[in-house]
Amino acid sequence: AQKITQTQPGMFVQEKEAVTLDCTYDTSDQSYGLFWYKQPSSGEMIFLIYQGSYDEQNATEGRYSLNFQKARKSANLVISASQLGDSAMYFCAMRAGGTSYGKLTFGQGTILTVHP
Amino acid sequence: DVKVTQSSRYLVKRTGEKVFLECVQDMDHENMFWYRQDPGLGLRLIYFSYDVKMKEKGDIPEGYSVSREKKERFSLILESASTNQTSMYLCASSLAVPQQFFGPGTRLTVL
Repeated sequence: AQKITQTQPGMFVQEKEAVTLDCTYDTSDQSYGLFWYKQPSSGEMIFLIYQGSYDEQNATEGRYSLNFQKARKSANLVISASQLGDSAMYFCAMRAGGTSYGKLTFGQGTILTVHP
Repeated sequence: DVKVTQSSRYLVKRTGEKVFLECVQDMDHENMFWYRQDPGLGLRLIYFSYDVKMKEKGDIPEGYSVSREKKERFSLILESASTNQTSMYLCASSLAVPQQFFGPGTRLTVL
């Protein structure tokens, strides 16, 4: 079974500073994918970034980067130069390999608040 | 752009009612999913479908059923709604690409 753990229920950051949101995972699969989604107060889920288990380099998408440490089974999201619009709930998720049809297992989420 | 739509943003039903939540995607995706989201629990998979008329149970299928008669439409059915099914329900679809595309969600309240 897969498990995702986000240990930070809430995080605060000053505008323009960087912030790291923690995510650890557990799986026995060799092939898997890790995702981060953002959920603003409006409720829609916005895909941010993806890391495959065999990708050698950390994924980056604009101000978002994924700090992938395979041996430690962690996939932390780093947001650089925080903006007020980054205030939202953030979910880490994992897709197992094999015939899982792309099912995702989600963590509990972290609420990020960006202060001006 | 991929679009996933859900029939209602907000829904209020009474205990014991039969409830239908509809989800439609416009990108010919094989895979469709229903999740429920509760505070502190994240999103949990209820059911998913990998083809028309094919369905599989997720992690919390009890009290729910699904229907997929056409590729673009995936319905979640609460046979007899109960107060513990008050939640946010999110539909998603995917193809071969890694990510899932989500609908806007339906906030269901069962009184």
